[in-house]
Amino acid sequence: ELKVEQNPLFLSMQEGKNYTIYCNYSTTSDRLYWYRQDPGKSLESLFVLLSNGAVKQEGRLMASLDTKARLSTLHITAAVHDLSATYFCAVDEDNDMRFGAGTRLTVKP
Amino acid sequence: NAGVTQTPKFRILKIGQSMTLQCTQDMNHNYMYWYRQDPGMGLKLIYYSVGAGITDKGEVPNGYNVSRSTTEDFPLRLELAAPSQTSVYFCASSSGSKGRKLFFGSGTQLSVL
Repeated sequence: ELKVEQNPLFLSMQEGKNYTIYCNYSTTSDRLYWYRQDPGKSLESLFVLLSNGAVKQEGRLMASLDTKARLSTLHITAAVHDLSATYFCAVDEDNDMRFGAGTRLTVKP
Repeated sequence: NAGVTQTPKFRILKIGQSMTLQCTQDMNHNYMYWYRQDPGMGLKLIYYSVGAGITDKGEVPNGYNVSRSTTEDFPLRLELAAPSQTSVYFCASSSGSKGRKLFFGSGTQLSVL
């Protein structure tokens, strides 16, 4: 069964600091996605990672994929308040798209 | 483009009632999904469809039914609503090609009392 585990589930960090969110999964899939959800809102796509070693960057966020380790990371550089949200990773195997439990990020001044 | 449209946005049901959550997309996507999100939790896949006439169960299908008669529409039916079905429901679609980024609707908040 496809399982997706994120950690940490809650993250409180100060502005200007760096941190990494981890996403481990149980299959050999090479398709992994990161989404952002603001409170009370829907999900929006951040990154699509489609091969081992894939790295994508957008502003202060960088995502990477290691299919051998079955691990993806979302690295936050010099956090700002606007990054406060819940971040989800999702793994795609066949037609099944499974989500992690999410990491609720709070960035404090 | 409207993208993925869900209706209604909010609904309160009594135990045992039935209802249909509507989802339509105008991106000509083959793949459509229904997820539920319980408070403070991740998304759980209820049903998905890879094209008109084809549906399959996800992780938590019990108590729900779906149909896919057209590419655009993917309604989710709740039969005999139970309090355990209180949740936020999201419909999503994707093109189905490699790199299946999901486009989400705005969600339906359902309470069963």
